[in-house]
Amino acid sequence: QKEVEQNSGPLSVPEGAIASLNCTYSDRGSQSFFWYRQYSGKSPELIMSIYSNGDKEDGRFTAQLNKASQYVSLLIRDSQPSDSATYLCAVHSGNTPLVFGKGTRLSVIA
Amino acid sequence: NAGVMQNPRHLVRRRGQEARLRCSPMKGHSHVYWYRQLPEEGLKFMVYLQKENIIDESGMPKERFSAEFPKEGPSILRIQQVVRGDSAAYFCASSTGPGYEQYFGPGTRLTVT
Repeated sequence: QKEVEQNSGPLSVPEGAIASLNCTYSDRGSQSFFWYRQYSGKSPELIMSIYSNGDKEDGRFTAQLNKASQYVSLLIRDSQPSDSATYLCAVHSGNTPLVFGKGTRLSVIA
Repeated sequence: NAGVMQNPRHLVRRRGQEARLRCSPMKGHSHVYWYRQLPEEGLKFMVYLQKENIIDESGMPKERFSAEFPKEGPSILRIQQVVRGDSAAYFCASSTGPGYEQYFGPGTRLTVT
């Protein structure tokens, strides 16, 4: 059973701080990794994808992948109240469906 | 708007009726995925389809649920004889292929009374 684990939170950070969201996965053969943001009552929105070890930056977001440790993270710099949402980690390997974690709820306090 | 489209956005059915949920993928995408999300729970994969083919239906309940993606027209998720436990948000996503970014539609909120 392929699993993706996330701390459910809530993770509370003050406005302007760095929010760090973490995700571990069980399948060492996983190849593709994604972060989605989901506001309450809305559909998931793709934020970042990462396929190789290291960091990938896009604006205020940085995804970090460490395949040896089976760990992927998302950093949000200069957090804003509008970043308050649930963040979903998703992992893909082989021909199996994308596996989602249950999400981490982030609350940015103004 | 070339995004993933789903309709209806809200659907109310009485127990025992049929529910039909439609999904049109993003332009250029031929891979469609259906997910179910219960309140306060995570996304659960249901089925993965390409045009005219079901690739993976490992997450689909064995009874009452079916899905198709015909050569022409949208993908359809069909739930026969709905029960209260089917009440959930059903999301469709599309991609250019397995392992690539999936983009989600706005979802269909199904309520069974």
